Amino acid sequence: DAKTTQPPSMDCAEGRAANLPCNHSTISGNEYVYWYRQIHSQGPQYIIHGLKNNETNEMASLIITEDRKSSTLILPHATLRDTAVYYCIVTFTGTASKLTFGTGTRLQVTL
Amino acid sequence: DTAVSQTPKYLVTQMGNDKSIKCEQNLGHDTMYWYKQDSKKFLKIMFSYNNKELIINETVPNRFSPKSPDKAHLNLHINSLELGDSAVYFCASSQSGSGETQYFGPGTRLLVL
Repeated sequence: DAKTTQPPSMDCAEGRAANLPCNHSTISGNEYVYWYRQIHSQGPQYIIHGLKNNETNEMASLIITEDRKSSTLILPHATLRDTAVYYCIVTFTGTASKLTFGTGTRLQVTL
Repeated sequence: DTAVSQTPKYLVTQMGNDKSIKCEQNLGHDTMYWYKQDSKKFLKIMFSYNNKELIINETVPNRFSPKSPDKAHLNLHINSLELGDSAVYFCASSQSGSGETQYFGPGTRLLVL
């Protein structure tokens, strides 16, 4: 699986958009970009994933660059409940695939 | 209803003991996993099972033995517990063939004294 690089921490004011970057310059053609988050003391939670195109769901948007070497997770209106560690993971899909969690980005949403 | 449940939530035990952690999912998924999150918060996969068959074993000591009686359950048995086994253990499940959207349980906090 391709390695990812994320900033260790970020701050965001409540109500503003949180933009979390991720570099994955060694991603291969059949690998997806996944985003999970872990709120303190809870199990990781799936947010969104994509291959080439930008994706949006009820939680977030995922912007993948054309060369697929980086991506940005966007939380459009961050709330205090979005304070968590966010993990960007690159993996192929299938029965033997696995999630390799890095150190992630600790997002602190403040009033 | 809880999608992925684990029991117990907390487990405190002495070194050398044998303990089990149970995991159940009611999502109808084919694949289940065990992860370990250590004190430094690194989250690492240990095992994955697909339809009761072992698929991934990430060089975990053989003191750890997963058991899958059916595809809705994946239990983790740990023999001869060591201090270094203290961690939070997470179970997860996914529907094979639909990508790696995994659903995680709440975790079992194991403390070995």
